[in-house]
This record gives sequence, C-alpha cells and structure tokens, in this order.
Amino acid sequence: KQEVTQIPAALSVPEGENLVLNCSFTDSAIYNLQWFRQDPGKGLTSLLLIQSSQREQTSGRLNASLDKSSGRSTLYIAASQPGDSATYLCAVDLVGSYIPTFGRGTSLIVHP
Amino acid sequence: DVKVTQSSRYLVKRTGEKVFLECVQDMDHENMFWYRQDPGLGLRLIYFSYDVKMKEKGDIPEGYSVSREKKERFSLILESASTNQTSMYLCASIYSGRSSAVFGPGTRLTVL
Repeated sequence: KQEVTQIPAALSVPEGENLVLNCSFTDSAIYNLQWFRQDPGKGLTSLLLIQSSQREQTSGRLNASLDKSSGRSTLYIAASQPGDSATYLCAVDLVGSYIPTFGRGTSLIVHP
Repeated sequence: DVKVTQSSRYLVKRTGEKVFLECVQDMDHENMFWYRQDPGLGLRLIYFSYDVKMKEKGDIPEGYSVSREKKERFSLILESASTNQTSMYLCASIYSGRSSAVFGPGTRLTVL
C-alpha cells in the first residue's frame, strides 16, 4: 500500500526566507504527484501537479520537483510571505488508479 | 470557474440520526471521492466512484454508504451517526486523465 510521508510536520520561519518542504512515497509506480494548500477550516486548493514523466513544475514563487526513482518530491517556496501560512499537502496516485493518497501535511507559519 | 460544492459548511447532528452529505461538481468529471480529515491522521478515503451508479470502498468505509445517481452528484450517508464520526468531510472530483483533483470547501460535522 502506498504511504506518503511529509517532513517537517511543522515549520515556522521569518518572512523572506526560502523554504523547502519534503514529500516521500513508498511506491514509485505513480501517475501524478500533486501539491495542495489548505487554509484552516477550508478545503484543499491545488498548487502544482507533476506528471510521472516530468521532473518539475513552477508557478510563481513555487517550484515542485519530482524524483520518481527515489520516491521524493520537494516544494520550494521562494521569498516566503505571511500569506503563505497554511498547511501544505502532498498526494500521489498510482498507475491505473486516480485515487490520491495523501501525506499528513506540513503546517507552515511565516511571521512578519 | 470550475467548482465542487458541498451542501453544508457546518452540521450538528445527534447520535443515531441518519445524515446526508451532498457533493456536486460542474466539471463533468467521472471520478468523485469522499475523504474525512482528522488531526494527526490526515485525509483518509471513505468511498469513491468512477461512474454513475458505481462505487468502491476506500480505506475506512465502515459506518458509511454512498450514492451516485447522476454524474455531477455524489452523496455520503451516515446510516446512524456516532460521535466518532465527528470530523471534517471533504469531497473531490478528478477528470479521468492527468488532471488535478478539485476539492470542495468541506463540511465540518459534529455528532453529539
């Protein structure tokens, strides 16, 4: 069964820092890897999707990389801002399935 | 703007009541999912559906059932609500392909 682990579980940084959030998964036969953002009490918002044939995706200050063979992905946030404070979740789905399996998330606080 | 809507943001029910949570998507997606999210446990899959009238059990189906009579609507049913079903319930849909999951805003259910 696919297991997804996110490290660290929580992170508190001053505004302006560059951040790296980590995601690892046990079964490398994945179809997609997605990064989501969740604000307190809200649903999930998709940030980036990386297909299995891709190495990275970028959106604004966010860059996600994928190393399928080692079962790892990183989400890089450049020049963090207080508005980036949220929980970030990683999800993968296996080849032949569209079911995302989630990590438990990294809770990020960016203080002014 | 594509959207997944859930019938209630907050719901309070009594033990033993039958509870219906409704999810509607306007994107013509084949695949729909119900997750519950609890602190420290992350998102866990309850049921999913890959077509009208089709349903599959997820990781924690006990105490729940689902209905998908129309493509756009996926309902989660708690036959007899119990206090351990107090949770945040999240609905999502995915197009059958390399696309991002789209989540609804969530329903915070409290069972007293």
